[in-house]
Amino acid sequence: DVKVTQSSRYLVKRTGEKVFLECVQDMDHENMFWYRQDPGLGLRLIYFSYDVKMKEKGDIPEGYSVSREKKERFSLILESASTNQTSMYLCASSLGTGRTEAFFGQGTRLTVV
Amino acid sequence: AQKVTQAQTEISVVEKEDVTLDCVYETRDTTYYLFWYKQPPSGELVFLIRRNSFDEQNEISGRYSWNFQKSTSSFNFTITASQVVDSAVYFCALSDEEDSGGGADGLTFGKGTHLIIQP
Repeated sequence: DVKVTQSSRYLVKRTGEKVFLECVQDMDHENMFWYRQDPGLGLRLIYFSYDVKMKEKGDIPEGYSVSREKKERFSLILESASTNQTSMYLCASSLGTGRTEAFFGQGTRLTVV
Repeated sequence: AQKVTQAQTEISVVEKEDVTLDCVYETRDTTYYLFWYKQPPSGELVFLIRRNSFDEQNEISGRYSWNFQKSTSSFNFTITASQVVDSAVYFCALSDEEDSGGGADGLTFGKGTHLIIQP
């Protein structure tokens, strides 16, 4: 079974903290993605990576950074968490180009207080 | 720019009724891919179907069927004889063929339709 695993299901952090969300996939996929899901807004792409050490900004990169040191791992970093970053974060991976489906992790619900 | 519109925010039906979820998309690309995902209460998005822009054949998988019409830029999803387990948020999504430095740009999602199946 293909698997994308996010390190935490629920997180509560304080404003100003540095937050790391980790994602690991076991499918040897080139592409990895971080999305944010908010009610009424659907899923919005934050960052994606198509290779180790490569990254591209998505639609809403402000306030976030990413790291991909190994092919299987893609980390999302909130440098200084703010309350408007309270959201559900979804990691995904896919093989090759846009023709292939993405596989998603179970999501991390982050609350910033 | 790509766009996916799911006009139905929430649909509630009684079990065993048929229900259709609408999806309308916009893209300037001639080659593109359409997807449907299901997100049950557990939160993980589950892939349901992929359709490329050159294949307008409708598809049926059990109680699920999909109607792709390029003329109206629509990719609608019908559940026949709905069941309580079908309750979920359903997302329609779009991607193109183009690479960006060798990889995919990610999916453009609609805002989702929350489907409630009442027993």
